[in-house]
Amino acid sequence: DGGITQSPKYLFRKEGQNVTLSCEQNLNHDAMYWYRQDPGQGLRLIYYSQIVNDFQKGDIAEGYSVSREKKESFPLTVTSAQKNPTAFYLCASTKSGSGGNYGYTFGSGTRLTVV
Amino acid sequence: AQTVTQSQPEMSVQEAETVTLSCTYDTSESDYYLFWYKQPPSRQMILVIRQEAYKQQNATENRFSVNFQKAAKSFSLKISDSQLGDAAMYFCASRQGGSEKLVFGKGMKLTVNP
Repeated sequence: DGGITQSPKYLFRKEGQNVTLSCEQNLNHDAMYWYRQDPGQGLRLIYYSQIVNDFQKGDIAEGYSVSREKKESFPLTVTSAQKNPTAFYLCASTKSGSGGNYGYTFGSGTRLTVV
Repeated sequence: AQTVTQSQPEMSVQEAETVTLSCTYDTSESDYYLFWYKQPPSRQMILVIRQEAYKQQNATENRFSVNFQKAAKSFSLKISDSQLGDAAMYFCASRQGGSEKLVFGKGMKLTVNP
């Protein structure tokens, strides 16, 4: 079945460490996204990519980095520069150039906790 | 810039009753799309319903329907015959035509009482 796989489901990080969250899709979608979800804040866009080897900053990109070397994969690195990384992270994808009619398909998320 | 506002952080409804979730949005574009997503306790985001701004007819998906008031920039979700499985966070979202970005409201927690 086609879908988006995020791993791991739960992740613990020590302060000062970088950590990478995985996102893989087999939907043949061009565009992929990373959102951060905090209680009462809704979903905030971190980074997005519309094509391989290209990506753009979202609204809260500071302290995060991404890569898009393959169409299927869009990993997110939470760096030590991110001051408050504890949150729930959602990856999503969509058909590109669809005129906006399509919503996103989401992964099941990764809960990151800094200990 | 697009904005989406959900002014009610929480609502509750009795099982089998009808509930309406409100959402307002702001955009300068004439071509845009609106969505409602459901996030149950599993935290998996599920697309509930979508509406194209150029369509006057309100979208309907089984027990879910929208009331799209374009002039008022309002996009409410009506859930009929509420079921226990409808309990979740609900997010309203908008996407401008030609843009790849989906902008979300802050969400609303719906409780369904048996």
